[in-house]
Amino acid sequence: DIVMTQSPDSLAVSLGERATINCRSSQSVLYIPNNKNSLAWYQLKPGQPPKLLIYWSSIRESGVPDRFSGSGSGTDFTLTISSLQAEDVAVYYCQQYYSTPWTFGQGTKVEIK
Amino acid sequence: QVQLQESGPGLVKPSQTLSLTCSVSGGSISSGSYYWNWIRQPAGKGLEWIGRFYISRGAYYNPSLKSRVTISVDTSKSQFSLKLNSVTAADAAVYYCARGLTETTTLVHYYYMDVWGKGTTVTVSS
Repeated sequence: DIVMTQSPDSLAVSLGERATINCRSSQSVLYIPNNKNSLAWYQLKPGQPPKLLIYWSSIRESGVPDRFSGSGSGTDFTLTISSLQAEDVAVYYCQQYYSTPWTFGQGTKVEIK
Repeated sequence: QVQLQESGPGLVKPSQTLSLTCSVSGGSISSGSYYWNWIRQPAGKGLEWIGRFYISRGAYYNPSLKSRVTISVDTSKSQFSLKLNSVTAADAAVYYCARGLTETTTLVHYYYMDVWGKGTTVTVSS
């Protein structure tokens, strides 16, 4: 199984400041047929369905604010919230869909400082 | 806009079978463009993918649960189901259903999960 490791486990950021979450996979998730990385980011809030934010490591899902961005390639990826808003308080997960079983990072809790 | 909704008993006794259903509305469960997943999250822990069902390929399960899991689809009801037998306290979790995207060439390629249900909490206790 591909092991996904996120860092940090939690972070507190002031409103309007940048939040950066890292995700590392135990092997490359580069999907050769389209030269894209099989990496997604999700946002989880209590009582709400998990929300897809980013897929193919850097493509923003329709309707997701542009303050969310994804980057990285191979085994190292980053989710950036450029200007943290109160509604962004949540737990964020990366997930690989390169090979089964799909696996997730352990999650990063984002709070307001 | 497609929506998914999980349903089923919130309490299951140890050694019994957990049975959940995911109802799909606003879209076709028979579409070859999608596959259907179950994921769970034990309290205080991360997400674990349980398995998937694709209409023309059947089910595929996480090897960690394979011996106890069955995922099936009822297209007439636009539902897919999860059965997990011989449950223990370790199976207590929030269970989510989710839709995933596929692309078919000479093979079926399974991609990210774009729509999720809100989740349902299952407790295992006698």
